[in-house]
Amino acid sequence: EAQVTQNPRYLITVTGKKLTVTCSQNMNHEYMSWYRQDPGLGLRQIYYSMNVEVTDKGDVPEGYKVSRKEKRNFPLILESPSPNQTSLYFCASSPTPYEQYFGPGTRLTVT
Amino acid sequence: RKEVEQDPGPFNVPEGATVAFNCTYSNSASQSFFWYRQDCRKEPKLLMSVYSSGNEDGRFTAQLNRASQYISLLIRDSKLSDSATYLCVVNVGTGGFKTIFGAGTRLFVKA
Repeated sequence: EAQVTQNPRYLITVTGKKLTVTCSQNMNHEYMSWYRQDPGLGLRQIYYSMNVEVTDKGDVPEGYKVSRKEKRNFPLILESPSPNQTSLYFCASSPTPYEQYFGPGTRLTVT
Repeated sequence: RKEVEQDPGPFNVPEGATVAFNCTYSNSASQSFFWYRQDCRKEPKLLMSVYSSGNEDGRFTAQLNRASQYISLLIRDSKLSDSATYLCVVNVGTGGFKTIFGAGTRLFVKA
């Protein structure tokens, strides 16, 4: 089944404790992206990747890192999470930038 | 001013009604345009792409006016299952890799 998977789906952590949210797609898509969704603000792009080893900043990259060492994986790294990074995070993949397929989301709470 | 603006709603309509959503974008270099649908905190899913010539998919019609930087979505003969949040999405930048989402318009269709 073609899909985008994210892990974990839910995470509660404390300020400053490094964490990684994984994202994997099995569709051989070149383009992948991370978003956060907050009430009233909609989805905002954090980082995107056009292919292996090619990444660029979206609208809200501060406090996040990404890497794209393999085509299928695009992990999101929070080196020192803070409470303002509490949010719902979505990973997406696409064969082009156009139609994006989203993962189920990761709900992160930073206390 | 937000790059992509939508009426937040909510829109409350009876079954069978026709409902129209509007969206404006500020970046004249925007390259591609979409409507996504999102059910209650689930992942967004592509509803349709939007072209200057207009496009129709069953009960749904989307239109783009580049001169006015305006995008619309019309839903005819609303069904209960159409209840969701509708997201206006614009791709900008070189290659159109940067994605901007509107905050969404919530639709409730009532029996």
